[in-house]
Amino acid sequence: GAVVSQHPSWVICKSGTSVKIECRSLDFQATTMFWYRQFPKQSLMLMATSNEGSKATYEQGVEKDKFLINHASLTLSTLTVTSAHPEDSSFYICSAPGPNEQFFGPGTRLTVL
Amino acid sequence: QKEVEQDPGPLSVPEGAIVSLNCTYSNSAFQYFMWYRQYSRKGPELLMYTYSSGNKEDGRFTAQVDKSSKYISLFIRDSQPSDSATYLCAMSRNDYKLSFGAGTTVTVRA
Repeated sequence: GAVVSQHPSWVICKSGTSVKIECRSLDFQATTMFWYRQFPKQSLMLMATSNEGSKATYEQGVEKDKFLINHASLTLSTLTVTSAHPEDSSFYICSAPGPNEQFFGPGTRLTVL
Repeated sequence: QKEVEQDPGPLSVPEGAIVSLNCTYSNSAFQYFMWYRQYSRKGPELLMYTYSSGNKEDGRFTAQVDKSSKYISLFIRDSQPSDSATYLCAMSRNDYKLSFGAGTTVTVRA
């Protein structure tokens, strides 16, 4: 079946630095991708919709200047957490609508010290 | 009030038992209903997908949707230890955006 990959799978950074997370659809094209955040023992919360060739749309309460999204091609979306703080530590998961279902990446665990 | 409510459990059952999971929702605009399984520190994987009221069966899994009551269920028959995971219900309108329940952690004891 269709595969979505994420890189890195785990990242630790210092407070105040920026971190980029990549999401790739490996065997299909995705004009739209979604970014979710999941805190421990909580559900996935949609952060934003990444649109190839246009600006991302953000869910209410998500700071667009802090979470920069770039949909560079039909197979790649990136999420950059700018000036990361410990409260941004979370599990970030992307997804892409594929044939008949939505496919999720394996997730990226971000720890901000 | 959350759009999707799901009891987080945890739920512990003996091997071979039927696992019963459910979610309620408040937004009648939801048209598509899904159940995902998520292992620790992994992305969710789709188990079942339905878009109409009624039952849908796939092997040991049965999904039920009752749109009039805004209630969905997932049943796992003959549960196995390998079924131990967190089960998330999810639903969407017609725009691929998913609203998830909190997830129920299930442990099947050997």
